[in-house]
Amino acid sequence: RKEVEQDPGPFNVPEGATVAFNCTYSNSASQSFFWYRQDCRKEPKLLMSVYSSGNEDGRFTAQLNRASQYISLLIRDSKLSDSATYLCVVNPRSGSARQLTFGSGTQLTVLP
Amino acid sequence: ETGVTQSPTHLIKTRGQQVTLRCSSQSGHNTVSWYQQALGQGPQFIFQYYREEENGRGNFPPRFSGLQFPNYSSELNVNALELDDSALYLCASSSARGGSTDTQYFGPGTRLTVL
Repeated sequence: RKEVEQDPGPFNVPEGATVAFNCTYSNSASQSFFWYRQDCRKEPKLLMSVYSSGNEDGRFTAQLNRASQYISLLIRDSKLSDSATYLCVVNPRSGSARQLTFGSGTQLTVLP
Repeated sequence: ETGVTQSPTHLIKTRGQQVTLRCSSQSGHNTVSWYQQALGQGPQFIFQYYREEENGRGNFPPRFSGLQFPNYSSELNVNALELDDSALYLCASSSARGGSTDTQYFGPGTRLTVL
């Protein structure tokens, strides 16, 4: 079983749609959680951290359910520029070695 | 831009050769992590360097080795290259404070092709 699992997609949605991505992780001791965005042939970039209470950044909302070991990302009012691969990322342990564990990514294409 | 730079951008090698990839961290950052990203996969953690010492290692064989220099830049060395080593190699820069590190910022990567 992979440490971080995501639906690979692809998700093809029209502009203005709301789309949700889900992710599960296997290590219950995981300490911190993130969503990164990766454009084609580019490096991953931090989209947002995910907090236990849930957090929102503009059109993006992230949720964490520690009991179910489940993370989600909701994108409202999708834009063409949101087209990218979204990577669910977990730091499996505390301490100074922040070893990020990535899912395989979910590909999103927003269509005009 | 993150301020993290990597060189070279692209590299083609043949099986059995050795390769050295370089990374300059963002100003003020003292920690560098290296990741391997195969096509269609998420990045996989190779190792991390903090204050010139290896500070955590993923599931990679010893032929993957690294260095960190006093200016916090870093090298990744891979010996006896195999076809499966073909991937995008990413370095990520961060700052370790008080026993934990904050956000990792990725460089643009080096795309390695092994023939």
